[in-house]
Amino acid sequence: QKEVEQDPGPLSVPEGAIVSLNCTYSNSAFQYFMWYRQYSRKGPELLMYTYSSGNKEDGRFTAQVDKSSKYISLFIRDSQPSDSATYLCARNNAGGTSYGKLTFGQGTILTVHP
Amino acid sequence: NAGVTQTPKFQVLKTGQSMTLQCAQDMNHEYMSWYRQDPGMGLRLIHYSVGAGITDQGEVPNGYNVSRSTTEDFPLRLLSAAPSQTSVYFCASSRTFNQPQHFGDGTRLSIL
Repeated sequence: QKEVEQDPGPLSVPEGAIVSLNCTYSNSAFQYFMWYRQYSRKGPELLMYTYSSGNKEDGRFTAQVDKSSKYISLFIRDSQPSDSATYLCARNNAGGTSYGKLTFGQGTILTVHP
Repeated sequence: NAGVTQTPKFQVLKTGQSMTLQCAQDMNHEYMSWYRQDPGMGLRLIHYSVGAGITDQGEVPNGYNVSRSTTEDFPLRLLSAAPSQTSVYFCASSRTFNQPQHFGDGTRLSIL
């Protein structure tokens, strides 16, 4: 079982739709979780990070973590064509070897069409 | 604010050649790391550094060397390039190892 599982999609939605992106993870010993957005031929761009269970909101983006079910979600409200990108969930490696190592999901390809 | 800068953006090498991928950050971050991104494999950690003079191996270190003589720079050296090292390489940095990391725009490397 992969440590972080993410549905690769692709996901295609109309402009203005609410998008839900999801990941599950298998190891409980993590400090924080992140969502990155990656445009074609660019590096991953940090969107949101959270340390605890619950919701964290930033503009049109909401990150949700449920540690009891080991589930991470990113919601995008009023989606725009400029949101079209690959979205990567990640969690850090808490202690042990490889300090700071991030484990990523495979990424979900999102297309928002006008 | 430049953030994390990687050079070159593209490179083609022949098998057996060596080269250095450059990474520099201007945020005074202590932690820096190198990842490679391959289709179906995602992003995998090659090497990392928790501060100047301190480096360690990640999950796929073979064939790569790193050094960290200054806080700002963290070059990645390919010792003898192999076709299996064809990939996109990303450098990342963060204030400390347990803070979210910021990535550069990558170096696309092809080895023939």
